[in-house]
Amino acid sequence: SQQGEEDPQALSIQEGENATMNCSYKTSINNLQWYRQNSGRGLVHLILIRSNEREKHSGRLRVTLDTSKKSSSLLITASRAADTASYFCATDPNTGGFKTIFGAGTRLFVKA
Amino acid sequence: GAVVSQHPSWVICKSGTSVKIECRSLDFQATTMFWYRQFPKQSLMLMATSNEGSKATYEQGVEKDKFLINHASLTLSTLTVTSAHPEDSSFYICSARSGTLAHFGDGTRLSIL
Repeated sequence: SQQGEEDPQALSIQEGENATMNCSYKTSINNLQWYRQNSGRGLVHLILIRSNEREKHSGRLRVTLDTSKKSSSLLITASRAADTASYFCATDPNTGGFKTIFGAGTRLFVKA
Repeated sequence: GAVVSQHPSWVICKSGTSVKIECRSLDFQATTMFWYRQFPKQSLMLMATSNEGSKATYEQGVEKDKFLINHASLTLSTLTVTSAHPEDSSFYICSARSGTLAHFGDGTRLSIL
C-alpha cells in the first residue's frame, strides 16, 4: 500500500480544545508535510518538517517528527470551528522520483 | 509563490465519454507532474508520474490505457480518462514540484452518469 497510517481516523472536539493527530509512514524520507483539505476542496499546505528536524511551530500548529519510529504528530492548539477539515500527512520518500505519498488522513470536527 | 492551475474544476458527463483534465504550472517549469485520485472520505492515491517528453510511470493497479497522460511541455500535463464509467467518478488532483515543495492544483471533480 502507498499509504501510511494516521490516527485517529476521526476526531470530534469542542472549540478551544487542542487536537492531536498522529501519522506513521513506511520508508525513509526527505521530509514530511501536513496538509489540510476542506470537504470537496483542494489541499492547503500547512507545514513542512525536514528529516533532520524534530519539532516545528507555525502559529497554532506544532509538528513533531521521530524518524526512528517513522512517525509524526500535528497539534492544533485552541481549536476553532473553522479548523474543521481533513488533515493529511504526506511524505517524500528518499527513494527518488520526488513522489509525495499521503497518509490516510484524520477528519477533524470542531464543535462551536 | 508557485501556482498550479487545474481545469476544469468540475465535469459531469455520460458513461462512455472520454474526459480530459489539464494541469498547468503557471509561473515555473515542471519536468515532472503527478496525478492523484481521491474517492469520497478517503485519502489521495498516487496514480502516475507524468514526465515531460517521455512516457508516464503508472502506479501498480492503475490502467495506463484507461488513464492516458500526456506531458507535452514543461508547463502542461493532461490526464484523459478514456471511456469513463460511473466507477471512475472521483476527485482528481495534480501536483508539480518547485524546489522542495509539491504544489497542488485545486482538483477536478468528475461525475459520470
